[in-house]
Amino acid sequence: QKEVEQNSGPLSVPEGAIASLNCTYSDRGSQSFFWYRQYSGKSPELIMSIYSNGDKEDGRFTAQLNKASQYVSLLIRDSQPSDSATYLCALAGNQGGKLIFGQGTELSVKP
Amino acid sequence: DGGITQSPKYLFRKEGQNVTLSCEQNLNHDAMYWYRQDPGQGLRLIYYSQIVNDFQKGDIAEGYSVSREKKESFPLTVTSAQKNPTAFYLCASSVPTSGENEKLFFGSGTQLSVL
Repeated sequence: QKEVEQNSGPLSVPEGAIASLNCTYSDRGSQSFFWYRQYSGKSPELIMSIYSNGDKEDGRFTAQLNKASQYVSLLIRDSQPSDSATYLCALAGNQGGKLIFGQGTELSVKP
Repeated sequence: DGGITQSPKYLFRKEGQNVTLSCEQNLNHDAMYWYRQDPGQGLRLIYYSQIVNDFQKGDIAEGYSVSREKKESFPLTVTSAQKNPTAFYLCASSVPTSGENEKLFFGSGTQLSVL
């Protein structure tokens, strides 16, 4: 089992819809969780971080964490074509520092 | 402006040749990292350093080497022992405390190809 698993997609949603991206992980000691957005040929950029169970909202983005079930998700409301990118889930353990990444989910938002 | 600078943006390697990718940061971060990304894949950790003059192997260190002589610099050498070096290489830095400070800041990446 991979440490961090994501559906590779592509996930296609119409403009204005809610995009739901999911990530599961195997290490119960993981403490910090991140979502990065990566456009083709560019470096990843951090869009959300979450550390406690529950929801965290930032504009059109909501991150959800459930440590008991070992999953973290990202919801994008009112999806725009500019949201089309690969979304990487990453986590850090209780030793801090290095992040472990999933393989990424490609999102395509159709006008 | 503070940030991480990677160079070159594109690099070509001949068979049997060692090449070095540069990474410089002026964010005053203690920790620096090298990741490799293959097409359609996530990031895999090659090496990381949490303090000057110290570094640790990541998950795919074979065929690579690093040095950390200065806080600002963390160059990566892709040696001839790395038989499949074609990939996108990303350098990152962070403040390596546990909790809410493990956010990574990335450079713009180097695309390495084999001639």
